[in-house]
Amino acid sequence: RKEVEQDPGPFNVPEGATVAFNCTYSNSASQSFFWYRQDCRKEPKLLMSVYSSGNEDGRFTAQLNRASQYISLLIRDSKLSDSATYLCVGSGGSYIPTFGRGTSLIVHP
Amino acid sequence: GAGVSQSPSNKVTEKGKDVELRCDPISGHTALYWYRQSLGQGLEFLIYFQGNSAPDKSGLPSDRFSAERTGGSVSTLTIQRTQQEDSAVYLCASSLGTGADTQYFGPGTRLTVL
Repeated sequence: RKEVEQDPGPFNVPEGATVAFNCTYSNSASQSFFWYRQDCRKEPKLLMSVYSSGNEDGRFTAQLNRASQYISLLIRDSKLSDSATYLCVGSGGSYIPTFGRGTSLIVHP
Repeated sequence: GAGVSQSPSNKVTEKGKDVELRCDPISGHTALYWYRQSLGQGLEFLIYFQGNSAPDKSGLPSDRFSAERTGGSVSTLTIQRTQQEDSAVYLCASSLGTGADTQYFGPGTRLTVL
């Protein structure tokens, strides 16, 4: 079983919609979590870190649920420019960050 | 400031040839990672450096792959006797310290083995 798992999607939503992704992790010792965004044929870029208390950055909200071992990303008022692949990353309890395979989001007019 | 840079951006080679890929991390970043990504796939971890040491080489797919880092800075990934299945984008990332820190990725090297 992969340490970090994501639904690959694609999630196809209209502009203005709210969309949520979940990511599960298997290593209960994992301590640090991140969401990265990867545009087509580009490198991944940090979107936001995920803190135990949850965090919000504009239209984006990330939550961590340690009891159920998942993290989530909520995007409100989706924009066309939000179309990308969203990668979930856990520290895996070691110094090697473990990436999920990504969830594809397509926002259409 | 300058981000992570990689060279070449594209490399086309013939099967059986050796290739060298280069990564220049962000100055001061002690951790450096190599990944590869095939079309439509996730990131595959290859190797990790802390300073000049590589504590974890478990991701290298075969003994044709090797990597080194000198001066705690530049890293090269070498693939010997390339095969068609080596075709992928090779991404390098650096971070300030351990895996708990944010990784900053370079633009990648797109390798095509004919």
